[in-house]
Amino acid sequence: AQTVTQSQPEMSVQEAETVTLSCTYDTSESDYYLFWYKQPPSRQMILVIRQEAYKQQNATENRFSVNFQKAAKSFSLKISDSQLGDAAMYFCAYRRAGSARQLTFGSGTQLTVLP
Amino acid sequence: NAGVTQTPKFRILKIGQSMTLQCTQDMNHNYMYWYRQDPGMGLKLIYYSVGAGITDKGEVPNGYNVSRSTTEDFPLRLELAAPSQTSVYFCASSQIGQYIGNEQFFGPGTRLTVL
Repeated sequence: AQTVTQSQPEMSVQEAETVTLSCTYDTSESDYYLFWYKQPPSRQMILVIRQEAYKQQNATENRFSVNFQKAAKSFSLKISDSQLGDAAMYFCAYRRAGSARQLTFGSGTQLTVLP
Repeated sequence: NAGVTQTPKFRILKIGQSMTLQCTQDMNHNYMYWYRQDPGMGLKLIYYSVGAGITDKGEVPNGYNVSRSTTEDFPLRLELAAPSQTSVYFCASSQIGQYIGNEQFFGPGTRLTVL
């Protein structure tokens, strides 16, 4: 079974600084997808960024980028130029390619942005 | 598009009562999911559906039932509510394929308290 581990329950960053959230996963599959979701206090789950395992290039979306290390099964999220609106719970998630089943979620990292 | 909508947003039940959480999506997605999120935790799958008339159990199906009579709707039924079912419930939908995002789109959640 796949597992996703987020070892940082809480992180904080100064506004305008950079922060990296860690995620590791365990799978025997070679083809899969990885996601970072953001959950602000409104509870809405918002997709931040996705990475296809077959792509070697790290995904980027504006101020958000990932460091995908397939051999190490590591998928960290870097937030540059942090903004107050980035404060939220961040979840790393895994999905096997071609699978109709669920996303497997980590336990989340609560990010605080300090003004 | 409204995306994924859920009703109600909040509900308080007494032990032993029953209720149905409604979920509708207007993106013509074949795949739909129900998750629950307990405090400080990631999401766990209750049930999922790969199309109208087809449902299957997830990680934590006990105490719940689902049906999928149309592509758009995927209601979750709680029978004989118990305090252990106090949680936030999320509905999600997705399309799966080789050249699309494969991410899941989430509804805003229903906060359920069983007293």
